[in-house]
This record gives sequence, structure tokens and C-alpha cells, in this order.
Amino acid sequence: KAGVTQTPRYLIKTRGQQVTLSCSPISGHRSVSWYQQTPGQGLQFLFEYFSETQRNKGNFPGRFSGRQFSNSRSEMNVSTLELGDSALYLCASSSHASGGITDTQYFGPGTRLTVL
Amino acid sequence: ILNVEQSPQSLHVQEGDSTNFTCSFPSSNFYALHWYRWETAKSPEALFVMTLNGDEKKKGRISATLNTKEGYSYLYIKGSQPEDSATYLCAFTPAGGTSYGKLTFGQGTILTVHP
Repeated sequence: KAGVTQTPRYLIKTRGQQVTLSCSPISGHRSVSWYQQTPGQGLQFLFEYFSETQRNKGNFPGRFSGRQFSNSRSEMNVSTLELGDSALYLCASSSHASGGITDTQYFGPGTRLTVL
Repeated sequence: ILNVEQSPQSLHVQEGDSTNFTCSFPSSNFYALHWYRWETAKSPEALFVMTLNGDEKKKGRISATLNTKEGYSYLYIKGSQPEDSATYLCAFTPAGGTSYGKLTFGQGTILTVHP
């Protein structure tokens, strides 16, 4: 099976712009989670989608949003970019075979976002 | 706020050495503990998911133990090789519906194995 893919791999934006990142999960996986990784904060949970519904959300401002499509692909959007949004954004998919809590999450390679 | 602590922050060992790191997590409301290996420029790779007190998991030269009553897990690497160089992350999942898809990660232990 192909792994989790994320596009684009690198992005450079300026403050105030918005950005959309894409994540394609492993075939058959219905849950997609998003994480932000910064040097100071480590990996922080953004949100999780299952069957096109957001089931869980981390402590991030409303500028961070996401959605999931019927084929389980997911996008996350960040509006009005700030310098502090520069980070590696990772998505992870899981099969939900264990009900969504103990499932192994399989990570993509991430999108490196730089905000100038 | 859930605190997942890992120690040490970094570790340098020689090829052939055995090593171990610690992950500490809240012992109350425990549901699962995950270990990941993250090599530079690659995706984090799942190593283990552990749910039961006393669990021991093994994958090749890597093994892990879990103590949910005292809130810690150990990761052991036997006979370290340069290819084991990576950041090792643990992630905690508490019980409850708000845990869907959410892993709370520690800061990681950076392992460097010198030939």
C-alpha cells in the first residue's frame, strides 16, 4: 500500500496570506489527524477528521481549519498567516479498526511552511 | 494539561552499546502509549502501541515496557547501530471521547550512534 502523502512538501508565504495543505491517507483509512511541529513546542495536535466530520480539535486559533472529503483526503487551511505559523505540518491516517483511540497513526512526510 | 516528559533529551552512544530512554505520562486516565522513531527527512515511524500495565513489546533489537500505575515507559535498544540514529518520540492517549485521533507527544530523545 502507498503511504500517506502530503502536498506540497515546501511552501513559502508572506504574512497575511492564506495557505491550503493537502493530505492523502493510506487507502482504506478513514481517520486523518493533523499536527504542527515547531522547535519549541514539539508535535502539537491540530484536529482530527473521520468520515468527513471533525471529531476532535486542539488548542489552536480559528485561523486553522480543515475538512475531509468523501474519499478521506483531507485539507487544512491557515488564514491570515503569522510569522509564528512557520512550522512543519504533518498529517497522519489510521484505520479506526480499534475505535479510534488506540489505532496506530501513520504519518506523512510533512509540509514545511515558511512565513516571511 | 497533559505532560508527557521524555529523558534524556539527547544521547550519544557508540556502535554496539545498549541504551534506554524514559517516557513519563499521567498515570490517571491512561488509555494508550505509543512509541515512534523519526529519522531526519523521513516520516515518523510507528514502533509500538501499548495499552496494558506490564506490557512488553519487541521489534528486532528494540523493545519497550509499560508501567501504567506509576506512569512510565522504557524503550530499550540492544546493540545500537548507526542506522538507529533518530529522534524517539512517545505519545500518550488518555481515556475518553475527546481522545479521538489525538496523540500528546513528548519532546523526544535524540539518539546519535557513532560508528
